[in-house]
Order: sequence, then C-alpha cells, then structure tokens
Amino acid sequence: DAGVIQSPRHEVTEMGQEVTLRCKPISGHDYLFWYRQTMMRGLELLIYFNNNVPIDDSGMPEDRFSAKMPNASFSTLKIQPSEPRDSAVYFCASSFVGLSNTGELFFGEGSRLTVL
Amino acid sequence: GENVEQHPSTLSVQEGDSAVIKCTYSDSASNYFPWYKQELGKRPQLIIDIRSNVGEKKDQRIAVTLNKTAKHFSLHITETQPEDSAVYFCAASGGSYIPTFGRGTSLIVHP
Repeated sequence: DAGVIQSPRHEVTEMGQEVTLRCKPISGHDYLFWYRQTMMRGLELLIYFNNNVPIDDSGMPEDRFSAKMPNASFSTLKIQPSEPRDSAVYFCASSFVGLSNTGELFFGEGSRLTVL
Repeated sequence: GENVEQHPSTLSVQEGDSAVIKCTYSDSASNYFPWYKQELGKRPQLIIDIRSNVGEKKDQRIAVTLNKTAKHFSLHITETQPEDSAVYFCAASGGSYIPTFGRGTSLIVHP
C-alpha cells in the first residue's frame, strides 16, 4: 500500500476562495482523521470518521469548515470562504482498530495551505 | 475529555547526551500511550508506544516509562544523535484508541 495519500501538497489561495483538500486512506483502515498543525496550537484534531461516518466534529473551527467521506477510500476537507488564519498544514491520518491493534495513526504527507 | 500536557516545549542537547520528554494525562481510563516523531517538513510517525499494563518499554536507544498512579509517562533517548532532531509528540487514548496529543517537544541535538 502506498500509505495515506493527500492532495494537493501545497495550496496558495486568496482570502475568500474555496479550498478543498483530499485524502485517500490506507485500504482496510476504518478510522480517518483530519488534523491541523500550526506553530501556535500544535496538532489539532478537526474531525474523525469511523466506517465513513463522522463521529466527532467538535474540533472544526467554525461553519466555514466541512468534511465528507463519501466512501471508504476518499475524504475531503473544505474551507469556504478561506481566511488568512486558516493557513496551516492539514494532515489526514487513518488507522485500523481491530481486536489486538493499537490504533496506530498513519499520517499523510500533509497539505500546506497558505491563504493570502 | 482527555488533556495531555507535554514538557518541555524545546529541548537542546549535545550529541551523546540523554534527552527526556515528560507528559501528564488527566483521564485515568486512558490505557495506551504512543509517541510520534515528526522530522522537519515530514509527517508524524509512531516510534514507540506503551500500554497501561506495562511500566517500561525499550527499543534500542529509546525507552518509555509509565506511572499510572501519577498519570505521568516519559520518553527517554540515550546517546542522542543529530538525526534524533525532530518534534516529538506524546499522546494518550482509551478503549476507543482515539489519541489526544500533547503540544510537542522540539528536540535539537547539536553535533
């Protein structure tokens, strides 16, 4: 497996524009997480899914953020409209929590978002 | 919910010295404690973990210790090398295996 795949790797946009970040989790994993990383706040959990169902979105900053997981192999994080304070690295991660698994998170390489 | 505190935020050592990073957690039901390493510009990756039924675990130059009573756990790196320079995150989770991360420690190893 190629691991968790995220796109785009880098995105530069202007304030007010819509941004869509994409993630393909590892095949067979049943959890998918979206994190935001900044120097000031570290790794923040935005939302996570279990078997494609959103379980906890309490970390989503505000209504401008939305996430979907239409199937087991694809998820999106959308920001509309974007603001400069949304500039960060967004990581997608997946895990498999089986009977004896530890729930290790496998992270994608991240999407670095810059909003001007 | 769980709250994980991590200290120090920055740690600078000389090559060959030991480094210790400490974390505390708040939820006594947490039973799994992973540590992730994030090199500059890279993704976080699991380097070692410990379960609540174990007090210590070693893997070559790294070790983790857990004190359930005090709700403390620590990462110990011996004989540090420049390639150990990275940000280290501790985390705690319970039966759901949904981790709560600490704020991270930036370890700098000077040659």
